[in-house]
Amino acid sequence: DQQVKQNSPSLSVQEGRISILNCDYTNSMFDYFLWYKKYPAEGPTFLISISSIKDKNEDGRFTVFLNKSAKHLSLHIVPSQPGDSAVYFCAARDSGNTPLVFGKGTRLSVIA
Amino acid sequence: DADVTQTPRNRITKTGKRIMLECSQTKGHDRMYWYRQDPGLGLRLIYYSFDVKDINKGEISDGYSVSRQAQAKFSLSLESAIPNQTALYFCATSVEGAGTGELFFGEGSRLTVL
Repeated sequence: DQQVKQNSPSLSVQEGRISILNCDYTNSMFDYFLWYKKYPAEGPTFLISISSIKDKNEDGRFTVFLNKSAKHLSLHIVPSQPGDSAVYFCAARDSGNTPLVFGKGTRLSVIA
Repeated sequence: DADVTQTPRNRITKTGKRIMLECSQTKGHDRMYWYRQDPGLGLRLIYYSFDVKDINKGEISDGYSVSRQAQAKFSLSLESAIPNQTALYFCATSVEGAGTGELFFGEGSRLTVL
């Protein structure tokens, strides 16, 4: 049973526009949510995170929004750049010792 | 040099062969993990270890075994490889007690089982 769901396998956005990647989760015990970015032939790299006590976290062009009541989070990239083209993974964990649980990923293509 | 190093980076083998993927890290982290990536299935946890004497099964441990030889080394073994173990394998590390549980990944080992 998937605890972290990314229902859009792919997304295509024009350069300069906003990219919105969505993630839903089922486990109400999750306390921390992370986004990872993965380029081909490389390992995933950490992008941004948010804890359950917040509803927004911003880092430059990247903002993550958390809606706990809906068990939904989203990653906004503004403005999108061709170098943002990658697979983005949503991940979550609770406050115990459990490892991160990942979604299936969304492939973002930013078209120049 | 990478903080988390995986060897080999690419391996092609035949059904029934024993395969070992190795991971070493210079980050000084206690916690180490093995994940598997398949197209459309994301990253799935195989095994993890919180210290040298601790080994835990993940979501998809069947057909795999691990060894934590030292704080810095964590190897993954396929005793008798089968074609559906063809995948991209990632080793990762994390700091004990870190709130977010952020993982630091290696560059991956691509395994093909014919």
